[in-house]
Amino acid sequence: GAGVSQSPSNKVTEKGKDVELRCDPISGHTALYWYRQSLGQGLEFLIYFQGNSAPDKSGLPSDRFSAERTGGSVSTLTIQRTQQEDSAVYLCASSLQVSSYNEQFFGPGTRLTVL
Amino acid sequence: AQSVSQHNHHVILSEAASLELGCNYSYGGTVNLFWYVQYPGQHLQLLLKYFSGDPLVKGIKGFEAEFIKSKFSFNLRKPSVQWSDTAEYFCAVKRGNNRLAFGKGNQVVVIP
Repeated sequence: GAGVSQSPSNKVTEKGKDVELRCDPISGHTALYWYRQSLGQGLEFLIYFQGNSAPDKSGLPSDRFSAERTGGSVSTLTIQRTQQEDSAVYLCASSLQVSSYNEQFFGPGTRLTVL
Repeated sequence: AQSVSQHNHHVILSEAASLELGCNYSYGGTVNLFWYVQYPGQHLQLLLKYFSGDPLVKGIKGFEAEFIKSKFSFNLRKPSVQWSDTAEYFCAVKRGNNRLAFGKGNQVVVIP
């Protein structure tokens, strides 16, 4: 079946603007994860969802970042008042359940550039 | 700080050469270990994983990795690389809190 999809694939925005990044997980996957991949920092965990709730938000870098998930499916990561240091590739992953033994399947990512 | 370390960020080698990428982690207790690969222009995909049992695990495309608990290591190997193995390789550790902690990756370039 279809894999994890993310939109947009590329986003260029001006400093101070808000952006929304979307993730469509694999159908039936209850767990959804957001990561950020930036130069020099590697891949950083941001937040994960079990169903529509987010038990672990500790990876969000500031209160400008928020995420929600509705209907146990689509998730949106919102960055308010973007800064240049927010430039990165934002990756979404999903897994069948929240379990250490479940593989996380990654989407293609959204490349965010803040000018 | 707890972390995942990958050394030799850039690796360049010729086809048919052997490849070994090191991965060390600093978490105690039970861990689940993964290697992910990102081919040029493609998304991250799982190469292999270790949960328990035989510490030598085999993955796709001829890759294998060995878990050495006493050394907190999970090194990736391939006896004979091909040009198509050019990619970035990431080691990741999951420690029961469901988040993956990644190393910074190894950029591997295989010269034909």
